[in-house]
Amino acid sequence: DIQMTQSPSVLSASVGDRVTLNCKASQNINKYLNWYQQKLGEAPKLLIYNTNNLQTGIPSRFSGSGSGTDFTLTISSLQPEDFATYFCFQHNSWLTFGSGTKLEIK
Amino acid sequence: EVQLVETGGGLVQPGKSLKLTCATSGFTFSNAWMHWVRQSPEKQLEWVAQIKAKSNNYATYYAESVKGRFTISRDDSKSSVYLQMNSLKEEDTAIYYCTWGVAYWGQGTLVTVSS
Repeated sequence: DIQMTQSPSVLSASVGDRVTLNCKASQNINKYLNWYQQKLGEAPKLLIYNTNNLQTGIPSRFSGSGSGTDFTLTISSLQPEDFATYFCFQHNSWLTFGSGTKLEIK
Repeated sequence: EVQLVETGGGLVQPGKSLKLTCATSGFTFSNAWMHWVRQSPEKQLEWVAQIKAKSNNYATYYAESVKGRFTISRDDSKSSVYLQMNSLKEEDTAIYYCTWGVAYWGQGTLVTVSS
């Protein structure tokens, strides 16, 4: 099975900051990496699919990059509504989620 | 508008069975590949099962943790997907989400396995 490791597990930041969240796969997953945002009591919401494609309706301050085993989600200027938990997910070989990064207010 | 609504969760004893239903609307269900994903009380997400469309012979796939105990099925005439869960274990306790292509998600239904 492919393991997905996210770092950091908790990130403290302020409104307006630029932040980068990391996701590392245990083997090559090509471009097949999605990012989700989850707020308390809600279902995960797809932000980015296949590494760098913005889902419809998602603000352009969210972007994704990477290839192979190393991927990043960048939020260019944090907004109050962005404080949430973010999960990466690979769909290259079976389907596996990372354990999440909680983005909290500093 | 895409909608997915899960029902059927609840409290069940270990070893018992439960069937979840996901009713959908707002997209062409008959062409859709549907999944069940669960989230543990520790907030870890785990993919559970997938069912493909008729054109893919309704192929099904399962996580190792549920293989042989859970069965995913669908009724295209009702735009619904199901998860039959047998021989439930305490570690199956989770919120169960129905998803279309792991892109659109329902609100989830809570399954608690406890004596």
